[in-house]
Amino acid sequence: RKEVEQDPGPFNVPEGATVAFNCTYSNSASQSFFWYRQDCRKEPKLLMSVYSSGNEDGRFTAQLNRASQYISLLIRDSKLSDSATYLCVVKQILTGGGADGLTFGKGTHLIIQP
Amino acid sequence: DTGVSQDPRHKITKRGQNVTFRCDPISEHNRLYWYRQTLGQGPEFLTYFQNEAQLEKSRLLSDRFSAERPKGSFSTLEIQRTEQGDSAMYLCASSLDTVYGYTFGSGTRLTVV
Repeated sequence: RKEVEQDPGPFNVPEGATVAFNCTYSNSASQSFFWYRQDCRKEPKLLMSVYSSGNEDGRFTAQLNRASQYISLLIRDSKLSDSATYLCVVKQILTGGGADGLTFGKGTHLIIQP
Repeated sequence: DTGVSQDPRHKITKRGQNVTFRCDPISEHNRLYWYRQTLGQGPEFLTYFQNEAQLEKSRLLSDRFSAERPKGSFSTLEIQRTEQGDSAMYLCASSLDTVYGYTFGSGTRLTVV
């Protein structure tokens, strides 16, 4: 089982619609969770951190379900500029300690259509 | 410049040659990371420095790869005897604390021919 799994898509969504992605992670001891956005041939950029209580930033809402080990991202009133790959990211804690690198999913490709 | 800088942006090299990439992190960030990304995949962790100390290396980092951060500021990643499978985007990132995520540089795209 991969450490961080995402549906690669693509998700084709009309402008103005609401779209949601899920991501599952395998390590129950994972501590920190993020969503990153990556545009074609560009570097990943932090979209938002994900907190246990859920958090919202404008049109974006992130939620964490530790019991089921999944993270979600909801985008409301989608814009053409939201077209990108959305990467689910988890900070893994490996047995024996250490491990400061973040683990990325493969990403979900979103296409907003006019 | 307040971002993470990487140099060069693109590198084309012949198989078997050595290449070296440089990363200049955000100046107040003490943590520096190297990742590799291939088409259709998420970035894969390679190695991590806290100040000048290399604290972790992924099993992806074969003995042909070496990374340094001699003064705790910029870092270099060297690949010796490059292979076609090394073709990828090499991303550098820096942070103060992973609770707040990383800032990535624009990456160095390596093509081994």
